[in-house]
Amino acid sequence: DAKTTQPPSMDCAEGRAANLPCNHSTISGNEYVYWYRQIHSQGPQYIIHGLKNNETNEMASLIITEDRKSSTLILPHATLRDTAVYYCIVDNYGQNFVFGPGTRLSVLP
Amino acid sequence: SAVISQKPSRDICQRGTSLTIQCQVDSQVTMMFWYRQQPGQSLTLIATANQGSEATYESGFVIDKFPISRPNLTFSTLTVSNMSPEDSSIYLCSAQTDRDEKLFFGSGTQLSVL
Repeated sequence: DAKTTQPPSMDCAEGRAANLPCNHSTISGNEYVYWYRQIHSQGPQYIIHGLKNNETNEMASLIITEDRKSSTLILPHATLRDTAVYYCIVDNYGQNFVFGPGTRLSVLP
Repeated sequence: SAVISQKPSRDICQRGTSLTIQCQVDSQVTMMFWYRQQPGQSLTLIATANQGSEATYESGFVIDKFPISRPNLTFSTLTVSNMSPEDSSIYLCSAQTDRDEKLFFGSGTQLSVL
């Protein structure tokens, strides 16, 4: 079973920030939080990952709570091309990724 | 990073036949994995393809049905044997490089079994 829980779906207006939450209350000390997304009929695309510090790259920001039991993926200016299923995964060095159902993000014009 | 190419990208097969899916990575990788994504579902790990030894299968998946080869550090194959319509899925190859704990995914093979 997946170690994370995510809302099944979210909407976001184009140009606004999309904030996707993830709960991982049983995360262990050496497990990273990974975010991937899957645009229809394509393979999952890596977005970002982190251990305990907040992370930012050209695609998104990852905010991890101090107790590491939850995190939020932020797409700062969502576009229509960001419409996808977003997966939050916790794992130790990617050895056994377990994908949950993810969050289906719809970016609306 | 790693670029992963999968062939074929899609196929339509008859019941009882077998299909071999190829996965080629553009650099040497330590770990390669095979996933299945059934229609409307999330990804499920089938097995870890180990170079130089037998693949490690997850619960519910067996070698006779999904034989895997990993002859070197850049290539793997997954065979779906004696196919039935229930095997209709997207099959995805992924890899992990030495230097990075990220997983990279191929674009998948869309399999339809009639």
